[in-house]
This record gives sequence, structure tokens and C-alpha cells, in this order.
Amino acid sequence: GQSLEQPSEVTAVEGAIVQINCTYQTSGFYGLSWYQQHDGGAPTFLSYNALDGLEETGRFSSFLSRSDSYGYLLLQELQMKDSASYFCAVRDMFSGGYNKLIFGAGTRLAVHP
Amino acid sequence: EAGVAQSPRYKIIEKRQSVAFWCNPISGHATLYWYQQILGQGPKLLIQFQNNGVVDDSQLPKDRFSAERLKGVDSTLKIQPAKLEDSAVYLCASSLAAQRKGYEQYFGPGTRLTVT
Repeated sequence: GQSLEQPSEVTAVEGAIVQINCTYQTSGFYGLSWYQQHDGGAPTFLSYNALDGLEETGRFSSFLSRSDSYGYLLLQELQMKDSASYFCAVRDMFSGGYNKLIFGAGTRLAVHP
Repeated sequence: EAGVAQSPRYKIIEKRQSVAFWCNPISGHATLYWYQQILGQGPKLLIQFQNNGVVDDSQLPKDRFSAERLKGVDSTLKIQPAKLEDSAVYLCASSLAAQRKGYEQYFGPGTRLTVT
């Protein structure tokens, strides 16, 4: 079967750095994506890792270790607007559609002044 | 470029009634997805289209849910009859084909369905 685990809630202060971890189990792993979703809003794409290592996009970075079935999203210089839910999603290549995404339950990030 | 459009944004129906949702993907996106997101959970894929054809509908409750994508563009998702547990946000997403950054999906604003 397929499963993803990520913390349900994380709290941090403005300007700080926070790391959201994601571990996964899947039969046909192809890559790990991260999406951000504000309350009442649509998920928006943040990053994608197909290979081991760190991908950096502005204040956000994402890391993948395929051998450990583990990844994380790193948010730097936190701002109030970063308060949202963050989902890791496995790109599964053996479950029919080539681009099938299996989402975790999400991590709710609260940024305080 | 215009984003993924969905309508209606909100819908309240009684159980056993039927409901339909509409989605217009980003122009040029070959792949279209319908997700169900229950409050406090991540999106769950219901059905995936590649152009006109269904690629994956393994998690679609086919006894009550149906979807179609005519002419490879717009899509509709229907529930008939609805159950209380169908209360959720129904998200439509689209992406380029697999070989062209297909991992980046663009989501519409969703339809919030309440079944009473």
C-alpha cells in the first residue's frame, strides 16, 4: 500500500526557520512534491524532488532522500502569510496514471509575531 | 494565463439528491484530475483524465459518482444519489502531459459541498 506521514501541526515565530518532515511508503515512487494551501484556498505547487538532494526556490527549500524514503520542506525567514497547511505528495508511477499524486494529511503551520 | 475554473463554489443539497460540478482546465493542459478533500485531510484523487480518456478511476465510488471530459477540455463530476459522507471540497486540477512537468498540478478554487 501507500502511506505518507507528516506532523499535524507546527508552530513558529516570524523570521524563524521551520522544517516539515515527510516519510513515505509506496510501491512505485517517482518523486516528492510539496503543496501549500491557505484556509479556504486551493493547493498551490511549491516544489518537486525526483532525485536525492536539496532544491531551493527563494525562501523555500525541499530535500529528498530516496534511500530513507524521507523528505522535508524548509521554510526560512518565516512571514505571517506562510501560515497555511503544507502537504507532501508522492508521485506514484505504478498506480495507473503517470502523474498520480498521493497526498499526506497535511501539516498546519501557524506563524506568530 | 487563466487558471482552472470551477463552478459552483458552494452547494448545499439533501441526501439522496444529485449534484454536478463543472471544471474548465488551463488551456493546453492534457491531464485533468478530480480530487475530494474532506476537512482536515489531504486531497484524494477520484479520477484522472488524459485528454478524453480515463487513466485512473480506482478510487471513484462508481455506484454513485460519474465523470466525463468531453472533447478533452471541460469536465463534469456528478454524484447521484448523495450521501452525508460526500460532504467535502471537490477540487479540479490540471497539468501538462507527463513528459512536460506533469508533476506540477494547478488546482481550481474547489466546490464546497454540504450534504444534509
